[in-house]
Amino acid sequence: DGGITQSPKYLFRKEGQNVTLSCEQNLNHDAMYWYRQDPGQGLRLIYYSQIVNDFQKGDIAEGYSVSREKKESFPLTVTSAQKNPTAFYLCASSREYEQFFGPGTRLTVL
Amino acid sequence: RKEVEQDPGPFNVPEGATVAFNCTYSNSASQSFFWYRQDCRKEPKLLMSVYSSGNEDGRFTAQLNRASQYISLLIRDSKLSDSATYLCVVTRQGAQKLVFGQGTRLTINP
Repeated sequence: DGGITQSPKYLFRKEGQNVTLSCEQNLNHDAMYWYRQDPGQGLRLIYYSQIVNDFQKGDIAEGYSVSREKKESFPLTVTSAQKNPTAFYLCASSREYEQFFGPGTRLTVL
Repeated sequence: RKEVEQDPGPFNVPEGATVAFNCTYSNSASQSFFWYRQDCRKEPKLLMSVYSSGNEDGRFTAQLNRASQYISLLIRDSKLSDSATYLCVVTRQGAQKLVFGQGTRLTINP
């Protein structure tokens, strides 16, 4: 079964701690993306990567970091510099313009 | 001004009704347009692409007016299962980057 997996589904962390969210895809897509969604709002782009070992900042990259060492994997680290990290985080990959999303990770910072 | 703006909603309509959503975008260079559907606490999924000539998929009709920078989605004979948030999405010129509207929440009542 091809698809995108994100883990964990729910994550709780203390303020000031870095946390890494996992995203894996087996769709053989070159491009991958990270979005953040807050209640009642649309998705906002954090980072994206169009090929391995390359990535670009999106609209709200401050306080986040990514890596793209393998085509299948695009982990996102939420650092302590991110002021309001509690949100729903969605990873996506794309073939041309259609994006396929993973099930998301709900991060709550206590 | 937001790059993509949608009807604020929420929309509450009886089963069987016809409902229309509107969306405007500010970047005249936007090239591709989509409607995504997002169920509560789930990831967005592509509902349909929007073509300049207008397109239909069963009970759903999407239209694009490039001159007015306006996109619409019409749902006929609405079903309870149509209850969801509908996201208007456009691409930025020259990139595989999607820009999402804030979404319009639809509830179909029995």
